[in-house]
Amino acid sequence: GIQVEQSPPDLILQEGANSTLRCNFSDSVNNLQWFHQNPWGQLINLFYIPSGTKQNGRLSATTVATERYSLLYISSSQTTDSGVYFCAVLSGGGADGLTFGKGTHLIIQP
Amino acid sequence: EPEVTQTPSHQVTQMGQEVILRCVPISNHLYFYWYRQILGQKVEFLVSFYNNEISEKSEIFDDQFSVERPDGSNFTLKIRSTKLEDSAMYFCASSELGQGVPIVNQPQHFGDGTRLSIL
Repeated sequence: GIQVEQSPPDLILQEGANSTLRCNFSDSVNNLQWFHQNPWGQLINLFYIPSGTKQNGRLSATTVATERYSLLYISSSQTTDSGVYFCAVLSGGGADGLTFGKGTHLIIQP
Repeated sequence: EPEVTQTPSHQVTQMGQEVILRCVPISNHLYFYWYRQILGQKVEFLVSFYNNEISEKSEIFDDQFSVERPDGSNFTLKIRSTKLEDSAMYFCASSELGQGVPIVNQPQHFGDGTRLSIL
């Protein structure tokens, strides 16, 4: 099946810093979503972005489907941004279930 | 904004017992899913459901598991004869039907999860 690799696995930053999280995938995709899992375990849907660029406040994402990667940018980090960020993809082979990466564990220190 | 609702938020069950996890998908969605996340690990796909039948299932979804849409709003996951290793967070998700030619899959919307603890 499709492989999803996220980097870095862990990231510690000071409040106000910017960060870039990367997601590489091994095959063509029909769907790519970025999630933030907060300390309570909730999965917050950040972006649905199988291709192109989107922005939502301090967050933006870019997917280059032909090169099989996606980037999540977080600007002016806040402590509430802490948590695990997951990339999840749906392969182009007609699959239904999203394949998740292992996530990037982000800690924003005050 | 419409949400996927899951109950209970936390379920504690004795090993060997049966447990039913409940979900109310977003009302106009036609695809429903269950995922599992063992503590500290990534989220894993279990099963998808469309048109009152299983559309796809993973290797994890063995005979111990079953899904059902008992009425027009609920979607359930039943785990029979629970084991210690079934302890995990279980997420329900739903999505609209894919659109276009070729079909473009729609985003999946996740509930807040049910934390299942097997003792």
